[in-house]
Amino acid sequence: GAVVSQHPSWVICKSGTSVKIECRSLDFQATTMFWYRQFPKQSLMLMATSNEGSKATYEQGVEKDKFLINHASLTLSTLTVTSAHPEDSSFYICSAGGRSTGELFFGEGSRLTVL
Amino acid sequence: LAKTTQPISMDSYEGQEVNITCSHNNIATNDYITWYQQFPSQGPRFIIQGYKTKVTNEVASLFIPADRKSSTLSLPRVSLSDTAVYYCLVGDLLGGYNKLIFGAGTRLAVHP
Repeated sequence: GAVVSQHPSWVICKSGTSVKIECRSLDFQATTMFWYRQFPKQSLMLMATSNEGSKATYEQGVEKDKFLINHASLTLSTLTVTSAHPEDSSFYICSAGGRSTGELFFGEGSRLTVL
Repeated sequence: LAKTTQPISMDSYEGQEVNITCSHNNIATNDYITWYQQFPSQGPRFIIQGYKTKVTNEVASLFIPADRKSSTLSLPRVSLSDTAVYYCLVGDLLGGYNKLIFGAGTRLAVHP
């Protein structure tokens, strides 16, 4: 079946650096992808909607200059956490939909730890 | 966007049937009901999706009453590996992928 893959699965970085997380749809084209973040013992919180070829749509309270999203092709969306700080440490998850089935597929998630 | 309400947690034992009910009182005509399962440090995994009545697949059944204001995920004969968080989501997935908003989910613990 359809698969969404994220890379890296985990990353540790120093405070002040930027980290890029990739989300790929492996066997289907995704014009829309979604980025979520999840803190321990909490639910997924939608951060933004990534649209191929246009600007991402951010949810209220999510800083667009902090979390840069690029959806340059129909199979790839990237999330860059700029000038990361310890409070940005979280589990980041992307999802993409297969248009024919109406099903949303989720990536394996990327765990970011900022020291 | 239709809001969903589920029990925060449930406990069961191996071999039992588990039913998790989700309320979605303001579900729209075009909305589908989808259930996802999430294990720690993994992305959510699709379980089942339905619009009305009953849907069954190899892992679960989904019961949706006529008014569609609630739905029940039924897991037959659970095992320890079914310990996870289960999310009920409501959205118009076929209408251009409107964003899905996750509720708190139900944390299911299966005991030996």
